[in-house]
Amino acid sequence: AQKVTQAQTEISVVEKEDVTLDCVYETRDTTYYLFWYKQPPSGELVFLIRRNSFDEQNEISGRYSWNFQKSTSSFNFTITASQVVDSAVYFCALSEEGYGGATNKLIFGTGTLLAVQP
Amino acid sequence: DVKVTQSSRYLVKRTGEKVFLECVQDMDHENMFWYRQDPGLGLRLIYFSYDVKMKEKGDIPEGYSVSREKKERFSLILESASTNQTSMYLCASSPDREGYTFGSGTRLTVV
Repeated sequence: AQKVTQAQTEISVVEKEDVTLDCVYETRDTTYYLFWYKQPPSGELVFLIRRNSFDEQNEISGRYSWNFQKSTSSFNFTITASQVVDSAVYFCALSEEGYGGATNKLIFGTGTLLAVQP
Repeated sequence: DVKVTQSSRYLVKRTGEKVFLECVQDMDHENMFWYRQDPGLGLRLIYFSYDVKMKEKGDIPEGYSVSREKKERFSLILESASTNQTSMYLCASSPDREGYTFGSGTRLTVV
């Protein structure tokens, strides 16, 4: 069965520290997509990144970087030099195959609350 | 930009009331979803729809129903609201597996 595990419930760091949010997934699909979303206190889910199962290249976007490793079924997210504005709940998610490819449920982990202290 | 609009940001209803949560998307997406979000449980899928008048149960459909009469609108219905349905409800739409757009959420309190 498809599953996403974010073992870290809460992380607290001091500004300018680097922090890594872990994500481990389970799927029987050979083709799948992985996502990270940010949810600030306002509540809206903000899309950060999508990665397909055939692309294991790491990605960097400013202070954000993602490490995708199929061998360990992990898709970890690192924030370098964290800032107070990074404080939010972060969700990792997996898109699975549906009936005949027509449906595409997005399965979420339970989220990691990141608190960046000034 | 794709927009997913949820009609209410905050809602307070009484136990036993019939509650409608509305979601509208403006990009002709085939797929629409309703999730509820609770602390420590993440987002859990209630129902989804891949076409007009089509619906599929998600992981926690009990106590809910849905309606999709038009492609752009996907309604979540609480037939008889109960206090354990107090939650944040998020609607999403998607053309395929590659992209999902979420609404701002409706925080429902049942008293």
